[in-house]
Amino acid sequence: AQTVTQSQPEMSVQEAETVTLSCTYDTSENNYYLFWYKQPPSRQMILVIRQEAYKQQNATENRFSVNFQKAAKSFSLKISDSQLGDTAMYFCAFTPGGGFQKLVFGTGTRLLVSP
Amino acid sequence: GAVVSQHPSWVICKSGTSVKIECRSLDFQATTMFWYRQFPKQSLMLMATSNEGSKATYEQGVEKDKFLINHASLTLSTLTVTSAHPEDSSFYICSARDDMYEQYFGPGTRLTVT
Repeated sequence: AQTVTQSQPEMSVQEAETVTLSCTYDTSENNYYLFWYKQPPSRQMILVIRQEAYKQQNATENRFSVNFQKAAKSFSLKISDSQLGDTAMYFCAFTPGGGFQKLVFGTGTRLLVSP
Repeated sequence: GAVVSQHPSWVICKSGTSVKIECRSLDFQATTMFWYRQFPKQSLMLMATSNEGSKATYEQGVEKDKFLINHASLTLSTLTVTSAHPEDSSFYICSARDDMYEQYFGPGTRLTVT
């Protein structure tokens, strides 16, 4: 079975600082995709960043970057220069490759950015 | 970017009645849509995969006769909660997959059954 684990239920960070959210996953697939989604209080799911497993280079999107360790099955999200608008639930998600099947979500990490 | 809408955004219904939730891909065609359920402070739980022109594939433990899914066109999927009960109260989210296999999420529908 494919599972995604987020071990940090809640995290806090001050504005302008850096925070890292952890995610591990379990799969026997060799080709797959990993995602970080943000769910703000509006509850609209927003894609933050995605990583293809066959790419060794870590994905980056402006202030957001990942540390993808395929052998360790780890996929952490680093948010630099945290902003108040980053306050949200963050979900790590996995889907096997070859056509984007269903997403498997982790339990989420609630991030609070304080002034 | 691609936009997915849901209607209604919030619905209140009485126990025993049925309610229909629509999910539309506004600027792309989606052969596959997904329906999720989310309880407060919890993650998204996939209920079913909706494929245009064919029967939906339900996840284990999801009652297919209670949660009817219809994907009649490439831009519309509907979820009907039949004979709703208070325990069906939840937040329902759909997503639509485009030709590049990217998933886009709708804004969700809050269902309250009284």
